[in-house]
Amino acid sequence: ETGVTQTPRHLVMGMTNKKSLKCEQHLGHNAMYWYKQSAKKPLELMFVYNFKEQTENNSVPSRFSPECPNSSHLFLHLHTLQPEDSALYLCASSQEKPSDEQFFGPGTRLTVL
Amino acid sequence: EDQVTQSPEALRLQEGESSSLNCSYTVSGLRGLFWYRQDPGKGPEFLFTLYSAGEEKEKERLKATLTKKESFLHITAPKPEDSATYLCAVRDSGYSTLTFGKGTMLLVSP
Repeated sequence: ETGVTQTPRHLVMGMTNKKSLKCEQHLGHNAMYWYKQSAKKPLELMFVYNFKEQTENNSVPSRFSPECPNSSHLFLHLHTLQPEDSALYLCASSQEKPSDEQFFGPGTRLTVL
Repeated sequence: EDQVTQSPEALRLQEGESSSLNCSYTVSGLRGLFWYRQDPGKGPEFLFTLYSAGEEKEKERLKATLTKKESFLHITAPKPEDSATYLCAVRDSGYSTLTFGKGTMLLVSP
């Protein structure tokens, strides 16, 4: 595997389900990011981790819970989501924050019923 | 508050028909302007970083330029494979994160 990988690529869940998104970067980077991409809106930064420590939380609802066990892996735990949370969730990494170049994964297309 | 506005929202070109995409920005101090390309169902792919007014960068049929208020992505003799959404983002000197625009969706017809 190379670059930034994300699983699953597609996820459909009910509002009462609990699920997790996984991101792994194979670039030796130290910073990782979660973004939300909705139609007709700019990418919204959700969380930033630098050397496994959370450095940014962009006023994200508590139904989204990030976890970064090491510099290569990032999770987004989902619980009691709303239909408006349906979006493409993108993971990115960079050498270190604030680095210039962020490398993105392919994203997880989430649909909340 | 940082603002990034991209225009047009969508652009349709014939193969070989050159054009430009615009990214206007408002920041307190620019630490970098970034262009990304995003294909449907994929994550953004990094293209260029520009740091100061007057700077230009090129890659194949793409050329990015920067002024104090805006950046242009010039596409010369585009091909259908250039069809994608092009995203612009800025990093403000007061912040370590990126602010993205909504993107321009480019469609190049053969």
